[in-house]
Amino acid sequence: EVQLVESGGAFVQPGGSLRLSCAASGFTFGTSWMAWVRQAPGKGLEWVASIKQDGTDKYYLDFVKGRSIVSRDNAKRSLYLQMNNLRAEDSAVYYCAKITLFGGGWSFDSWGHGTLVTVSS
Amino acid sequence: DIQMTQSPSSLSASAGDRVTISCRASRSVSSFLNWYQQKPGKAPKFLIYAASSLQSGVPSRFSGSGSGTEFTLTISSVQPEDSATYYCQQSYDRATFGQGTRLEI
Repeated sequence: EVQLVESGGAFVQPGGSLRLSCAASGFTFGTSWMAWVRQAPGKGLEWVASIKQDGTDKYYLDFVKGRSIVSRDNAKRSLYLQMNNLRAEDSAVYYCAKITLFGGGWSFDSWGHGTLVTVSS
Repeated sequence: DIQMTQSPSSLSASAGDRVTISCRASRSVSSFLNWYQQKPGKAPKFLIYAASSLQSGVPSRFSGSGSGTEFTLTISSVQPEDSATYYCQQSYDRATFGQGTRLEI
């Protein structure tokens, strides 16, 4: 069974930094694209970043580009999101998601339970 | 960026009803369209990929259709446990989600 467990969410002041982690188990982590998706309180889902199996390709939501870095450690079966210069608009539950590919497209087929990031003064 | 628009934003149905949720893309996403279900306080659950393919384990009362810019999620005989918010998501160009449709049974 796929398990994704996020950690690292916290209350942080605007301009601060945070590193989120996701521990994966139950599947071959090193052969899967992975992603972060967030959800602001009472709002919809928003994709944040994706990373290729070997970490060589990374894609970001424009709003976080330049302030965030997605990375992974396949030996530790872990996914990370380093977020800098945080803004109030970054407040959300951050989900770690496993990506599955299909015929040119892809989807988020498994999700963690999320970790809450609150940015406020 | 590709914008995804769902309609309606919310709807109420009775058990056994046939329910349809629409999703429109601002430009063609071919068939690179997925659907998710999210219950309050829970992570999203993956339902349908490639517009019409049912994810393993998802009840057959769920179905999807469409291509290009117009897509539909249909629940043929809605059950009380289907109360949730439903999201479409395109994967043609990075990823964007619709704003969600809240379904109340």
